[in-house]
Amino acid sequence: KQEVTQIPAALSVPEGENLVLNCSFTDSAIYNLQWFRQDPGKGLTSLLLIQSSQREQTSGRLNASLDKSSGRSTLYIAASQPGDSATYLCAVEGGGADGLTFGKGTHLIIQP
Amino acid sequence: SQTIHQWPATLVQPVGSPLSLECTVEGTSNPNLYWYRQAAGRGLQLLFYSVGIGQISSEVPQNLSASRPQDRQFILSSKKLLLSDSGFYLCACYRTGGRYEQYFGPGTRLTVT
Repeated sequence: KQEVTQIPAALSVPEGENLVLNCSFTDSAIYNLQWFRQDPGKGLTSLLLIQSSQREQTSGRLNASLDKSSGRSTLYIAASQPGDSATYLCAVEGGGADGLTFGKGTHLIIQP
Repeated sequence: SQTIHQWPATLVQPVGSPLSLECTVEGTSNPNLYWYRQAAGRGLQLLFYSVGIGQISSEVPQNLSASRPQDRQFILSSKKLLLSDSGFYLCACYRTGGRYEQYFGPGTRLTVT
């Protein structure tokens, strides 16, 4: 059974810093990996999708990498801003129709 | 692009009462639909998924059931709620356009008292 772990569980940094969020998964036979953002009391917003054949994806100040063989992904946030404060979730898909397996998330606070 | 509606947005129900949460999708046809639950202190957990009308797969044995009476409607139900059913319920489908990116609705916050 696939398990997804996110480290750290919480992170607080001053504005302007670059930071890295980590995600690991136990079964490397994945179809894709998604990073989501969740604001308090809200649904999920998809940030980046990496197909299993890809190594990384970029969107603005966000860069996500995937090392499928080692079961790891990182989300890099450059020049962090207070508006980046949220919970960031990593999820993997196994390739069937049976949905995503999520990590518990990293709660990120960017201090002004 | 598609839009997912969830109703109601919030709900407070006593233990033992029935439950019906509704998810409807616009802008796509024959979507795969998913129900997830996010309980306090736990990650998002897949509850049910459906690949078509009347087709339901359950991931976790529990007090809940799901139905898909129409192509773009997915309903989560319970006959008798438990305290442990409290949580944030999210409906999802795949975003159209070939990227196989899961797209989530706004969620329903359920509190069982």
